[in-house]
Amino acid sequence: DIVMTQTPLSLSVTPGQPASISCKSSQSLLYSDGKTYLYWYLQQPGQPPQLLIDEVSNRFFGVPDRFSGSGSGTDFTLKISRVEAEDIGVYYCMQSMHLPTFGQGTKLEIK
Amino acid sequence: QVQLVESGGGVVQPGGSLRLSCAVSGFIFINYGMHWVRQTPGKGLEWVALMSFDGTEKKYSESVKGRFTISRDNSKNTLYLEMNSLRPEDTANYFCAKALHKTSWSLDYWGQGTLVIVSS
Repeated sequence: DIVMTQTPLSLSVTPGQPASISCKSSQSLLYSDGKTYLYWYLQQPGQPPQLLIDEVSNRFFGVPDRFSGSGSGTDFTLKISRVEAEDIGVYYCMQSMHLPTFGQGTKLEIK
Repeated sequence: QVQLVESGGGVVQPGGSLRLSCAVSGFIFINYGMHWVRQTPGKGLEWVALMSFDGTEKKYSESVKGRFTISRDNSKNTLYLEMNSLRPEDTANYFCAKALHKTSWSLDYWGQGTLVIVSS
């Protein structure tokens, strides 16, 4: 299995300030088709996960542009340019290069 | 809009069986692969199984292989997960999720989940 490791595991951010979450995979997520199969999800309290970013950097439908994804190979980052109160929850990275595996999750709280 | 509604969860004794269902609407079911993912209360996400849009491909996590069976009825827009030989460690909230693209192993929309508790 591909192991996904997120840091930090928790984050406390003042509204309006930026936030950044790192995700590292145990092997490259670049497939022979040229695509990189790395995704970011947000699970808000009491809700199922919702897709934020697909294939490293593509925002999913309706995702605000304050969310951005970057990275390549085995190192990836999710950035929130200006955190808002509604951004609280747990953020997960996931790979689907092989059978899906998730990172441990990063809990974002508001200061 | 896309909707996925799981049902069938409950309390079952170790060694018992349950069948979960996931009724979908808002998209053309036959055009997408589907997944089951579980989440232990207070903990992280574990992918469980996937089935291709046409049912020809099924994959399972090692932790459930040989005990769980994924299936779908395209005429009823419903996904299933048959769970046998249940263990306490199978206790979790089980989500069904839609594949992002027709042949993709990634997930976009998720249901609210159904809780399975394995306990004597």
